[in-house]
Amino acid sequence: QSVLTQPPSASGTPGQRVTISCSGSSSNIGGNYVFWYQQLPGTAPKLLIYRSNQRPSGVPDRFSGSTSGTSASLAISGLRSEDEADYYCAAWDDSLSGYVFGTGTKVTVL
Amino acid sequence: QVQLQQSGPGLVTPSQTLSLTCAISGDSVSSNSAAWIWIRQSPSRGLEWLGRTYYRSKWYNVYAVSVKGRITVNPDTSKNQFSLQLHSVTLEDTAVYYCAREHYSSGANYGMDVWGQGTTVTVSS
Repeated sequence: QSVLTQPPSASGTPGQRVTISCSGSSSNIGGNYVFWYQQLPGTAPKLLIYRSNQRPSGVPDRFSGSTSGTSASLAISGLRSEDEADYYCAAWDDSLSGYVFGTGTKVTVL
Repeated sequence: QVQLQQSGPGLVTPSQTLSLTCAISGDSVSSNSAAWIWIRQSPSRGLEWLGRTYYRSKWYNVYAVSVKGRITVNPDTSKNQFSLQLHSVTLEDTAVYYCAREHYSSGANYGMDVWGQGTTVTVSS
């Protein structure tokens, strides 16, 4: 079961900015890097953000990540129709000695 | 370009062993800059990290608490692949299973940047 808590849904119109939160604890987000993954329907997750705020090559700079204490956020600016997907946060958990994932947020472009 | 190709049965009988293989191209299972991971996804449990194997002068395995005692992740250097075995499966183990690469550079974790295509595994009699 997911240890990191995300809102189940978020939405916006094209061009808007959408922010997704990810709440954890001191054993995961509070002490380790956060990763964000995008999952389009029927496909494997794709790495979007690593080390809390770094983008792999090829990921648009419309996507940005940040952390504060035991929470993390993913922001999507200039929302586009192709951003409609599920988004998951993840972090290493020192207490569990394994990765934990968020509950997932479905982003809808209105 | 690194690619992962999964193979294995899509149907497993309860109490039996689930076995999947992930073939690697474009990288080496023995790489000092990677860890090789299994993850599963189901509606009831969401995304769940299962375990990883990696080589740093010797082989290491780390498993999730939720499946420890039932899971084995093994590298196969002769075929450049790694495998997942999950023993004594129940209906709760029905999920889409993914293999993935966790990439490291100069000791820094760059995340799970390459994923297999996913295998839907159903546990049913």
